[in-house]
Amino acid sequence: AQTVTQSQPEMSVQEAETVTLSCTYDTSESDYYLFWYKQPPSRQMILVIRQEAYKQQNATENRFSVNFQKAAKSFSLKISDSQLGDAAMYFCAYRGSGGSNYKLTFGKGTLLTVNP
Amino acid sequence: GAVVSQHPSRVICKSGTSVKIECRSLDFQATTMFWYRQFPKQSLMLMATSNEGSKATYEQGVEKDKFLINHASLTLSTLTVTSAHPEDSSFYICSARWRTGVGNEQFFGPGTRLTVL
Repeated sequence: AQTVTQSQPEMSVQEAETVTLSCTYDTSESDYYLFWYKQPPSRQMILVIRQEAYKQQNATENRFSVNFQKAAKSFSLKISDSQLGDAAMYFCAYRGSGGSNYKLTFGKGTLLTVNP
Repeated sequence: GAVVSQHPSRVICKSGTSVKIECRSLDFQATTMFWYRQFPKQSLMLMATSNEGSKATYEQGVEKDKFLINHASLTLSTLTVTSAHPEDSSFYICSARWRTGVGNEQFFGPGTRLTVL
């Protein structure tokens, strides 16, 4: 079974600074998807960024980028120019590809605090 | 686009009663819907996967008879918590898979907070 590990229960960053959230995963599959989701206090899950394992290029969405290291099974999220609205719980998630396996496996989450 | 709604957003019920939670995909067809449970300050735990027109597939340890799932149409899935007890109090989140979306994207509902007295 796939597992997702987020080793940082809590992180804090100063506004306008950069922070990196860590995620590692374990899988025997060669093709899969990785995601970072944000859950603010409203508890609405919001997709931040997606990475397809077959793509070598790291995904980027505005201030959010990932460092995807397939061999190391590492998938970290970098938030640049942090804003107060970035404060939330961040979940790393894994999903296999193909067939009927569209289930997401989530890590335990990292609570990000942004200090003004 | 790709909006998922849940109703109700909050519900309080007495122990022993049943509660139904609806999950709707508002602007897309969802062949697959997922139900999660989330305890405070914890991650999402997948309870079951439901496909339109077929029986739900439950994760190990989830009681099928307590958490009844019905996926009657491509836009509606319901979760019924039967004979609810205080330990069933939790935050329940659904998500819907957009089969034509990029990477079979899952979109999440806003969640339902269930409190059983």
